[in-house]
Amino acid sequence: QQQVKQSPQSLIVQKGGIPIINCAYENTAFDYFPWYQQFPGKGPALLIAIRPDVSEKKEGRFTISFNKSAKQFSLHIMDSQPGDSATYFCAASYNAGNMLTFGGGTRLMVKP
Amino acid sequence: GAVVSQHPSRVICKSGTSVKIECRSLDFQATTMFWYRQFPKQSLMLMATSNEGSKATYEQGVEKDKFLINHASLTLSTLTVTSAHPEDSSFYICSARREDTQYFGPGTRLTVL
Repeated sequence: QQQVKQSPQSLIVQKGGIPIINCAYENTAFDYFPWYQQFPGKGPALLIAIRPDVSEKKEGRFTISFNKSAKQFSLHIMDSQPGDSATYFCAASYNAGNMLTFGGGTRLMVKP
Repeated sequence: GAVVSQHPSRVICKSGTSVKIECRSLDFQATTMFWYRQFPKQSLMLMATSNEGSKATYEQGVEKDKFLINHASLTLSTLTVTSAHPEDSSFYICSARREDTQYFGPGTRLTVL
């Protein structure tokens, strides 16, 4: 599997802050980039996804920024809440729906 | 939304026994399902891709004779861990493909004593 590098490994922000999680990929054949949220002992849940033909996508408080030339994409969480405390994974695949290559994950803690 | 279930959610077994984990897509048909393995505080690692009516495709390093996958219907895939050993203890998660999105199950925690 081609690698997807995710940073930081952990992140602590205050309530209302804007955590930013970054991912970089190598395989230029990737054309689908989802973000998943996972709570302890649960399966990942799809948050938002983007394709390389757009540079930004927003859904609610979650925004993906995509830089095709740099092969990087990031997740921004606006007005973060303690309930957002979870592990976030970026992923990539070619032909959306095919096998996903996951980043290493970021453990986010939002303090009240 | 698309719902994927797994059963059981937790299982504890003795070393040398076999364990079957079921993955079901509850409100859609999935010709393709995936099985992942996740160790504590680590990322998800793809084990195999399961296609309905055909043999599963295993990732490099995954023993197909140890992790038996059957995808006999459009809503059910099973993973059987044969002759389980303590090192097989892990969190096993399935996903089902609906159009261009993978929807994940809640996971199965396997503990082998």
